[in-house]
Amino acid sequence: QKEVEQNSGPLSVPEGAIASLNCTYSDRGSQSFFWYRQYSGKSPELIMSIYSNGDKEDGRFTAQLNKASQYVSLLIRDSQPSDSATYLCAVNGGGSYIPTFGRGTSLIVHP
Amino acid sequence: SQTIHQWPATLVQPVGSPLSLECTVEGTSNPNLYWYRQAAGRGLQLLFYSVGIGQISSEVPQNLSASRPQDRQFILSSKKLLLSDSGFYLCAWSVGGNTGELFFGEGSRLTVL
Repeated sequence: QKEVEQNSGPLSVPEGAIASLNCTYSDRGSQSFFWYRQYSGKSPELIMSIYSNGDKEDGRFTAQLNKASQYVSLLIRDSQPSDSATYLCAVNGGGSYIPTFGRGTSLIVHP
Repeated sequence: SQTIHQWPATLVQPVGSPLSLECTVEGTSNPNLYWYRQAAGRGLQLLFYSVGIGQISSEVPQNLSASRPQDRQFILSSKKLLLSDSGFYLCAWSVGGNTGELFFGEGSRLTVL
């Protein structure tokens, strides 16, 4: 059974701070890792993809992958109230059409 | 560019009534297509996925069914709705192949009374 674990939160950070969201996964054969953002009442939106160990930066977002420790994280710098949402981690193994989703972490950025 | 459309956006149905949700993708060929359900406060539950016309794989056996009559069209149906079918239904597509980059439609919120 492939599992993706996330702390449900809520994670509350002040505006301008760094928000750190974490995700662990059980399948050592996983090759692709994704972060989705889901605003309340809306559909998930892909915001980051990472495929190799290390950091990947895109604007205020940085995805970090450590395959040896089987975790992936998302850092949001200079957090804004508009970043308040649920962040879903998804992991895909080689040869699979089906990513496994975590249940998401709720992030609240307060002014 | 690729777009995905899903409808209806909201519907309220009585128990025992039928259901049809439709999803179409534009701007790509031979996509993988998915139906997910998200109950209130819950994670994403994969219901069906399809890698080609007429090819449907079911993840959760229940009173729902899916069909893919055309390459970029995916339909979710039920003959008789249950109260437990209430939820937020999401259609998604990905590039044909084994990627996890899913692109979701706007969602359909179903309330069964």
